[in-house]
Amino acid sequence: AQTVTQSQPEMSVQEAETVTLSCTYDTSENNYYLFWYKQPPSRQMILVIRQEAYKQQNATENRFSVNFQKAAKSFSLKISDSQLGDTAMYFCAFRSPETSGSRLTFGEGTQLTVNP
Amino acid sequence: EPEVTQTPSHQVTQMGQEVILRCVPISNHLYFYWYRQILGQKVEFLVSFYNNEISEKSEIFDDQFSVERPDGSNFTLKIRSTKLEDSAMYFCASSEGAGGYTFGSGTRLTVV
Repeated sequence: AQTVTQSQPEMSVQEAETVTLSCTYDTSENNYYLFWYKQPPSRQMILVIRQEAYKQQNATENRFSVNFQKAAKSFSLKISDSQLGDTAMYFCAFRSPETSGSRLTFGEGTQLTVNP
Repeated sequence: EPEVTQTPSHQVTQMGQEVILRCVPISNHLYFYWYRQILGQKVEFLVSFYNNEISEKSEIFDDQFSVERPDGSNFTLKIRSTKLEDSAMYFCASSEGAGGYTFGSGTRLTVV
């Protein structure tokens, strides 16, 4: 079974600075998907960024980028130019494509606070 | 942008009562899911549904739970006899297949 670990329960950053959230995972599969989801106080789950394991290039979405290290099974999220609205819980998630419709396995989450 | 819609947003029920949580997935999606998040904990998979049947379920999804797609648009989660520990946020999600999901905004279930 796959596992996802986020070792930072809480982090804080000053507005406009850069922060990196860590995620590691364990799998024996070669092809899979990785995601970062944001959960603001409203508790809605919002997709931030996704990465396909077969792609060597790191995914980027505006101020959000990932550092995907497949051999190390590491998938960190970098948030540049942090904004107050980035304050949220961030979850790393893994999904196997072996069967379409397979489950997402989530990490424990990192609570990010952006300070003014 | 298409959305997954969940109703109600908040439901309070007495222990032992049956509750039905409702979801309208994105219309061209084929796979539907329920997840649960107990306050302060991580999001946990409950069940996935494809082609009008359960394709996968977790150990949490015991005989107290059932899912149904009654009319081709709604997707429901029923808890037959609620327990205090069923209090959680319940998320519905849908997907086309491989790749990411779209989550609904959740139903907060409080069992008293």
